[in-house]
Amino acid sequence: ILNVEQSPQSLHVQEGDSTNFTCSFPSSNFYALHWYRWETAKSPEALFVMTLNGDEKKKGRISATLNTKEGYSYLYIKGSQPEDSATYLCASTTGNQFYFGTGTSLTVIP
Amino acid sequence: DTEVTQTPKHLVMGMTNKKSLKCEQHMGHRAMYWYKQKAKKPPELMFVYSYEKLSINESVPSRFSPECPNSSLLNLHLHALQPEDSALYLCASSQDAQRAYNEQFFGPGTRLTVL
Repeated sequence: ILNVEQSPQSLHVQEGDSTNFTCSFPSSNFYALHWYRWETAKSPEALFVMTLNGDEKKKGRISATLNTKEGYSYLYIKGSQPEDSATYLCASTTGNQFYFGTGTSLTVIP
Repeated sequence: DTEVTQTPKHLVMGMTNKKSLKCEQHMGHRAMYWYKQKAKKPPELMFVYSYEKLSINESVPSRFSPECPNSSLLNLHLHALQPEDSALYLCASSQDAQRAYNEQFFGPGTRLTVL
């Protein structure tokens, strides 16, 4: 079992603010790190899959970085919008098993 | 079609009932998963099916019985559940169960309440 931790647990930001949160995972035997966005009553939606140390991925206003040597990934949201309100989950995987963090719940206040 | 569907959305059952949760995908994926999520906890893996064969059972009690009738369908049969089994049950699929970078596609879940 991999211990994956996310911080903060929840976050409230004003519309237009930029924000970031952290996913920490065991750095030994690392294979891949996945980020998901999960809106209430919907399916978790994949954002990024990251495999290489130093990886940076971007999708619109959302980007992520990966440091496999120290075991963390950052997710950044630039210019937060109300539609960004969701829970952001990360998962470290050894192949067929995903080990999820508890998520960061983001609320963007208009 | 990149959707994973789950039925029902909500289920309330007594401890003596027998019910089933259903999951379907039409993406040609050969791996399917059941997860359980309790409030404020991360989703926890229950079962993995790879090429319609059960490949992982994470020490789940026998009152949960998975079934994979074909590569598109995954069922979870429930019998004699306990109130502590109340949770959100998520189904997911991926291209296969071997590669760590394969994205898992999730359904919206079934919210189960056991009275």
